[in-house]
Amino acid sequence: NAGVMQNPRHLVRRRGQEARLRCSPMKGHSHVYWYRQLPEEGLKFMVYLQKENIIDESGMPKERFSAEFPKEGPSILRIQQVVRGDSAAYFCASSPRQNLNTEAFFGQGTRLTVV
Amino acid sequence: QQQVKQSPQSLIVQKGGISIINCAYENTAFDYFPWYQQFPGKGPALLIAIRPDVSEKKEGRFTISFNKSAKQFSLHIMDSQPGDSATYFCAARISGAGNMLTFGGGTRLMVKP
Repeated sequence: NAGVMQNPRHLVRRRGQEARLRCSPMKGHSHVYWYRQLPEEGLKFMVYLQKENIIDESGMPKERFSAEFPKEGPSILRIQQVVRGDSAAYFCASSPRQNLNTEAFFGQGTRLTVV
Repeated sequence: QQQVKQSPQSLIVQKGGISIINCAYENTAFDYFPWYQQFPGKGPALLIAIRPDVSEKKEGRFTISFNKSAKQFSLHIMDSQPGDSATYFCAARISGAGNMLTFGGGTRLMVKP
């Protein structure tokens, strides 16, 4: 059973370009969470999605950031017009359902560098 | 208040020693407290977790101690090994909020041979 798959593992973008980060949850998981980790800091929650629905986006910056989890295919975190401050590791986690007894499994992350 | 405060930021322990990492929280709605281990270039992996109705949980060399009244919890790594060298994160979750976790700032542990 493959784990949470994120790609690309490393992404370099110039200021002003768009970054697209992809996350394929574990098989059977319908809940996806995106977190951002700045250098030397802990992970910060960004957005929680189920298939075709955004459940909670309280951690998402108001501008330039968007996320989707379509009926078919991976979840996408999209960052438009990237700036240097967007450089970070972005982690995706998935869980089978919203339940007190379920664990969220993390992918290996996408390390975004904005030059 | 959603913050989880973690200390120390870094820790050096001799092989065979005890590593202790502490976390404190404010929000009494938190009802699940996991610890994650992260190696460089990897994603966080769940190490051990506790709920507030239990004061201690032990799994192998890893023990969580939980003090509900003080709103504090800690991770103890007994007989620390060089392979334990990693960054450790405490986290907390609110009931009914899926798996949205609030993380501490992390502790970089180095176990010297």
